[in-house]
Amino acid sequence: QKEVEQDPGPLSVPEGAIVSLNCTYSNSAFQYFMWYRQYSRKGPELLMYTYSSGNKEDGRFTAQVDKSSKYISLFIRDSQPSDSATYLCAMRRTVGGKLIFGQGTELSVKP
Amino acid sequence: DTEVTQTPKHLVMGMTNKKSLKCEQHMGHRAMYWYKQKAKKPPELMFVYSYEKLSINESVPSRFSPECPNSSLLNLHLHALQPEDSALYLCASSRADEQFFGPGTRLTVL
Repeated sequence: QKEVEQDPGPLSVPEGAIVSLNCTYSNSAFQYFMWYRQYSRKGPELLMYTYSSGNKEDGRFTAQVDKSSKYISLFIRDSQPSDSATYLCAMRRTVGGKLIFGQGTELSVKP
Repeated sequence: DTEVTQTPKHLVMGMTNKKSLKCEQHMGHRAMYWYKQKAKKPPELMFVYSYEKLSINESVPSRFSPECPNSSLLNLHLHALQPEDSALYLCASSRADEQFFGPGTRLTVL
C-alpha cells in the first residue's frame, strides 16, 4: 500500500464547475500538507500549504485537511481552462523531512 | 520572490558524454533538492543538501554526482548515463516548511 493515494484521473469538467481533488494517506505522523499544480513539461508550482488540520482559502482555491480521517482535499471554484494541469498532493512528517507525493490527478477543464 | 532557476532547459547527450545541470535560488533557503520525474509520475527524490552538506542520497547510481558549491547553487554532474535516465530533472529549495520547484531540465540520453 502506498503511503499516499491519489486518483490519477483523468478528470474532465466543464468550465465554471467546482472541482474536488482528494488524497488519502496512511501515516498519521504527517503534519505538513501541500498541493502543487504542474502544467505539461513544466516544474510543479506550489498552490497551497497547510499545517495540521483545518481549511485554507486563496482566491478560487480551498485546501482542507482532516487528520482524523487521513484525508486532504483541494477545491477549485469557477474552474477555468487555464486550470487544466496535473495536481499533486504532497506531505511530510517533519519540517525539512522528505516530501511524499501522491500520483497526481490530471484535470481538464473544457470551455 | 519564490524563484528557482535551472539551466539548461533541454539537454541531449550521448552515453559517453559528461554534462552538468545547474540550479540557483536567491531566497536564502538552506535546503536544496534534486528530483527526477518520468512522464505521468510524481517527482522522485534523488539528493538533499542541507546547509551545503549532503544529507540524503536516495541510493542514486554513481553516474549522478551532486555538488553544492554555496548556499545558492546546486549542480548535478552527469556521466555515462543510460537511455532510461531520460527524464525531467527538477531542482527545489525550501525554507522550514514550503518547498519550491524550478522549471526543470528535460534530459534525453541517446
